[in-house]
Amino acid sequence: AQSVTQLDSQVPVFEEAPVELRCNYSSSVSVYLFWYVQYPNQGLQLLLKYLSGSTLVKGINGFEAEFNKSQTSFHLRKPSVHISDTAEYFCAVLGHYNTDKLIFGTGTRLQVFP
Amino acid sequence: NAGVMQNPRHLVRRRGQEARLRCSPMKGHSHVYWYRQLPEEGLKFMVYLQKENIIDESGMPKERFSAEFPKEGPSILRIQQVVRGDSAAYFCASSFRGPSGANYNEQFFGPGTRLTVL
Repeated sequence: AQSVTQLDSQVPVFEEAPVELRCNYSSSVSVYLFWYVQYPNQGLQLLLKYLSGSTLVKGINGFEAEFNKSQTSFHLRKPSVHISDTAEYFCAVLGHYNTDKLIFGTGTRLQVFP
Repeated sequence: NAGVMQNPRHLVRRRGQEARLRCSPMKGHSHVYWYRQLPEEGLKFMVYLQKENIIDESGMPKERFSAEFPKEGPSILRIQQVVRGDSAAYFCASSFRGPSGANYNEQFFGPGTRLTVL
């Protein structure tokens, strides 16, 4: 079984500042890792994913994440945020050989202030 | 190419009524997944269906909830005799092919149906 922990429920930040949203997971098998963004009253949009290969993954809207197997982490980063990045961000995992259900964290609300 | 469609986007029901949520997968996709997002929580898997088959319903509540994906038409998530605790956002996702071994099949999400039970 897998689980995902997003320790920060809310992250306030000023525009143009850097941001890191933390995600840790636990799993007894290898996993695929994802970050999704949810704008108010909308569905989920895939930001980026780690399937294999390079541990640094670049996604849309200037976001990137780094897979750290020893620390079982997949933190999301952006060097300079915009007001439009205000949204809910979800980290999710998918177990190898059990790829029918995404396991989501509880989400981190990123609030960007001018 | 239209994405995953869900309707209605908002649904209000009184306690004891039935709720029917519809999901039309992306063109060419024959695998559908339903997730529920309770207030202030992440999404929780409910059920995975292929055309005319329920593959995994390990996340479905044991009573009042059912899902189908007929040969023709959208997938339907049905909630009978709704209670206030059913108020949530229900998301549907679809993929081109289902899980097979170590292969990854991206799930594309719809905009969700927000159910409010009065």
